Amino acid sequence: AQSVTQLGSHVSVSEGALVLLRCNYSSSVPPYLFWYVQYPNQGLQLLLKYTSAATLVKGINGFEAEFKKSETSFHLTKPSAHMSDAAEYFCAVTIRQGKIIFGKGTRLHILP
Amino acid sequence: DSGVTQTPKHLITATGQRVTLRCSPRSGDLSVYWYQQSLDQGLQFLIQYYNGEERAKGNILERFSAQQFPDLHSELNLSSLELGDSALYFCASSVATGGGGGGETQYFGPGTRLLVL
Repeated sequence: AQSVTQLGSHVSVSEGALVLLRCNYSSSVPPYLFWYVQYPNQGLQLLLKYTSAATLVKGINGFEAEFKKSETSFHLTKPSAHMSDAAEYFCAVTIRQGKIIFGKGTRLHILP
Repeated sequence: DSGVTQTPKHLITATGQRVTLRCSPRSGDLSVYWYQQSLDQGLQFLIQYYNGEERAKGNILERFSAQQFPDLHSELNLSSLELGDSALYFCASSVATGGGGGGETQYFGPGTRLLVL
């Protein structure tokens, strides 16, 4: 069965510093992987997704993630944090349509 | 704005009652998904409909049911409500064809916040 583990329910970084949000997955078959962002009082918005085309995936707002099969990881990074990046981030996995499994989420805090 | 609309935005009701949440997908999207987000359970997939037919089922309680109508809007019915059903309910839609795949993007609506007193 698939599962997703996000390390750290809260992460704080200084403005301008590197953002690293960790996600590890478990899947018996090649997965599709996603990162979604949720701003306060809003729905989820897709940041990026991995669908086996390329291991380094670039998304919106300067975010990117690298699929590492050997480490079963799909960590999200951004070189320089902005105040507007403060939100909750969800990693998700699916092996087929419909049944998408979300991680518990990581709340990103940006320190001035 | 994702193009997915959900009504109502907020709903307050009492235990034992029944409510209906409504979702209109993006124009052209045939698949609709329902999710429940709560503090203790996180974000959980409930059910997917594709072009009027149920396609996938997640952790949906028997007290909950959903349907997708010919105009592709969907409704999630929650009955015999309990305090623990208080949560944010999201609808999402995608252009999924309904067979295989899995890499399609789901577009989420703003959610309906349900409070059961």
